[in-house]
Formats: sequence, C-alpha cells, structure tokens
Amino acid sequence: GAVVSQHPSWVICKSGTSVKIECRSLDFQATTMFWYRQFPKQSLMLMATSNEGSKATYEQGVEKDKFLINHASLTLSTLTVTSAHPEDSSFYICSARVVAGWADTQYFGPGTRLTVL
Amino acid sequence: GENVEQHPSTLSVQEGDSAVIKCTYSDSASNYFPWYKQELGKRPQLIIDIRSNVGEKKDQRIAVTLNKTAKHFSLHITETQPEDSAVYFCAASLPGNQFYFGTGTSLTVIP
Repeated sequence: GAVVSQHPSWVICKSGTSVKIECRSLDFQATTMFWYRQFPKQSLMLMATSNEGSKATYEQGVEKDKFLINHASLTLSTLTVTSAHPEDSSFYICSARVVAGWADTQYFGPGTRLTVL
Repeated sequence: GENVEQHPSTLSVQEGDSAVIKCTYSDSASNYFPWYKQELGKRPQLIIDIRSNVGEKKDQRIAVTLNKTAKHFSLHITETQPEDSAVYFCAASLPGNQFYFGTGTSLTVIP
C-alpha cells in the first residue's frame, strides 16, 4: 500500500510553545490529507481536512487559529499546534487519501505523540 | 452527517475461535466501508474493505459482509491467533468524502 510518514514521532514541549508536525506521502501525490486526534483507548477524531493549495476545512469545535494546517505541496501537509497547553497532549495522526480507479481510501501515518508539560 | 456505531467495544476469544465485530451506519449514500487494525501506539492499518456493490469479500482468515438494506456491515476473523489482538475500527464513507469511524473494538485472543 501507499506509504505515509510523519515527523516527529514524539515530542515533548513546554506550555506556551508551538509544535509543528509534518505528514508526507512518500510514493504518491495526495491532494487531500486528513488530521486526526486520538485519545487513549478512543477512536480517531477528525480535526480537519487538508486540501493542497487551499484552506483546510475544520471540524466543528476545532480551533483553526490554534491548529494551523498548511498543505503547500502534493506530498506534504503540516499541522502546527500553537501556544500548546497540557490539554493538547494527545496522539496526532495524519492520513492521505489515495484515489486510483475504483479505489478511494486513506493510508495513515505512524502518528505523533505530543506531550505538553 | 453519517453516524457509525460499532459493537462490541471489547471482545475476548480463545485462540482458534472466530471473532465477529459489527457496525451500523446511518447514511444510505455511504458506499465504501474499510476496516482498520491498530496495535498499541501504532498507526491504523487497512486490513480489508468493501464497496456497496458487493455483499461479501474475503481475504484468507478475514471476511467482511455488507447488508445495505439494514445498513450494517461486519468483520469476521476465523481461526484467531494471538497476533490478531488489537483494536479494530470500522468506517463508512460517502463518495469522495471523509471517513466516519466507529468507536473501536478491543480484541484479545487468549492463547
């Protein structure tokens, strides 16, 4: 299947700082990427849909000024958690949408574990 | 929007037995139903998927069935092995749209 990478895999930061997470599609171009947040033992919560060359679409309740998303190329989307606070600590996972013929699915990155002290 | 429900939330089976996880969806326009397996601390991995134009799909020990009339679909794992232990998520998607995930099922296969 398609390969999606994510960097960093884990990060610890101080409260008030900003953290940038990168999501890359390694062997294909992705016009659409998704950003999810996952709490322990819970399902994937969609935060936003990232479309190359346009503004991201945020889900209800997700602060767009706090979670900045940039999809500047067909292989890279970034999520920046601005002014991070302990409640932002979570597992953040991106996925890239793959459309090929009849196939239309998502492949996930390995996730980034963010801990805000 | 679409609403996906998944049951059970936890499931324990003896090695070699079968495991069944069920999901229901609300939007009859949904036409794609993938299943993901997620091991602790790792990414969700696509294990099988089915489209609305078929009723069943099988891949070795894993099978998925879809009942469009009742709007439910199920994951069947036969001859379970300890390495099948993980959290399984179902999802439903409208054409070209986001995925709506179920709440997950934690499967434990007891050796």
